[in-house]
Amino acid sequence: DAKTTQPTSMDCAEGRAANLPCNHSTISGNEYVYWYRQIHSQGPQYIIHGLKNNETNEMASLIITEDRKSSTLILPHATLRDTAVYYCIVRGTGGGNKLTFGTGTQLKVEL
Amino acid sequence: NAGVMQNPRHLVRRRGQEARLRCSPMKGHSHVYWYRQLPEEGLKFMVYLQKENIIDESGMPKERFSAEFPKEGPSILRIQQVVRGDSAAYFCASSPEFSGANVLTFGAGSRLTVL
Repeated sequence: DAKTTQPTSMDCAEGRAANLPCNHSTISGNEYVYWYRQIHSQGPQYIIHGLKNNETNEMASLIITEDRKSSTLILPHATLRDTAVYYCIVRGTGGGNKLTFGTGTQLKVEL
Repeated sequence: NAGVMQNPRHLVRRRGQEARLRCSPMKGHSHVYWYRQLPEEGLKFMVYLQKENIIDESGMPKERFSAEFPKEGPSILRIQQVVRGDSAAYFCASSPEFSGANVLTFGAGSRLTVL
C-alpha cells in the first residue's frame, strides 16, 4: 500500500472550513484514498473515500488531484465536535481488507 | 441495524490472568479485524478473520494472543497471562464481503487495564 504523509497538527476556527491535506505520491492506479477520524478515546469513524473523482457526502468533501498524488479532506463548517485525529489511508483492492493507520493529523477546532 | 458491538467496554485484570474480548460484527458482515491502541499511540493492526478462518495475523504478538471467529457467535480476542504492557484499547472492526472499495466499521472498543 502507498505511504501517506500528513501534517502532525492543524487548528481551525469554529464555523470555518477545515482543509486537511494528504500526500500519497506513490499511489497506484487501483488504490483508493480513505479518510477516517478518531475522536478522543472513541473508535475510528469512516468519513469518505475516493478513487479518482472528487467525492462529497454529508460529512465532508474529498478533493483528489488529477495526478492522484495528493488529496484534501474538507470539513465545510467545522464545529468543536470535529476535533479529532484524521487519518488518510491509501489501500488497494487486492490482498485483503486491512487498513494501516499512520499517525494522522490532530485537528483542533477552536472558538 | 446495530453497529459493531464490543464487550466488555472496560476490563480489569491482574497480571497472569486471562482476558477475553468479544466482538459482534454488523449484520451481514463476514470479516472482522482487531486493532490495538496503546496509551498515547496509534492504531496497530493485529489480525483479520473471516468466519472460521484467520486470514492475516501479521500483527499479532507471537505468544499469549489468539483470535477466533467461529461459525456461530462473536469473534473473540484472547490474551493469556496478561502483563501490564497489554493495557490498551482494543478495537474491533467489520466489513462485508470484499468487493473493491473497503469500508471498515469500528466498534467503541474494549479498554483493558492490567494491574
